[in-house]
Amino acid sequence: EVQLVQSGAEVKEPGESLKISCQGFEYSFTDYWIGWVRQMPGRGLEWMGLIYPGDSDTIYSPSFQGHVTISADKSISTAYLQWNSLKASDSAIYYCARRVSGNYDYWGQGTLVTVSS
Amino acid sequence: KFMLTQPHSVSESPGKTVIISCTGSGGSIASNYVQWYQQRPGSAPTTVIYEDYLRPSEVPDRFSGSIDSSSNSASLTISGLKTEDEADYYCQSYDNNNRDVFGTGTKVTVL
Repeated sequence: EVQLVQSGAEVKEPGESLKISCQGFEYSFTDYWIGWVRQMPGRGLEWMGLIYPGDSDTIYSPSFQGHVTISADKSISTAYLQWNSLKASDSAIYYCARRVSGNYDYWGQGTLVTVSS
Repeated sequence: KFMLTQPHSVSESPGKTVIISCTGSGGSIASNYVQWYQQRPGSAPTTVIYEDYLRPSEVPDRFSGSIDSSSNSASLTISGLKTEDEADYYCQSYDNNNRDVFGTGTKVTVL
């Protein structure tokens, strides 16, 4: 069965860096786009960007470009979402999901990121 | 900028039908596929409709999707409403640069 398994919850202070991961199982990781989605507490889904692990082609939402970096290591079927300097407003649940013809058909379990001093 | 707007909430009694709208602005909603996701509290979203009207095999046929080009909107219809349908629902599509967008989300309450 296709699975996306995300890294565990993180608690960080403002200004710290962070890299969270999303590992794919039971499918050809290099053949499908992976998207990242933010959900702030009590709020809706926000699309952050996409990566194609086969060649690391990346597309960002203008709302997130410059503040996060999306990358992938196809040798270990893992995509990443990275911050160089976290803000309190980055506190949210972050989901990765596999994209097929515009549809996100499999989702990770989500990673809770808490940024607080 | 392509945006999708949904009603904040809808509510109806068990057995009834609810229709959730998803209105596009800044582009034609008919240009690219629309998906609908269900999200229950504490869980990741799951697809209930993809490619405008297709339904994953595990989703009951009480769920249906449609596109209305004249109003630049998509709709999710849930018929024979059940208590288990109580959740948040999001539409999603993308622009011609493959930038995705999610709708604002609709909370469905089963009275």
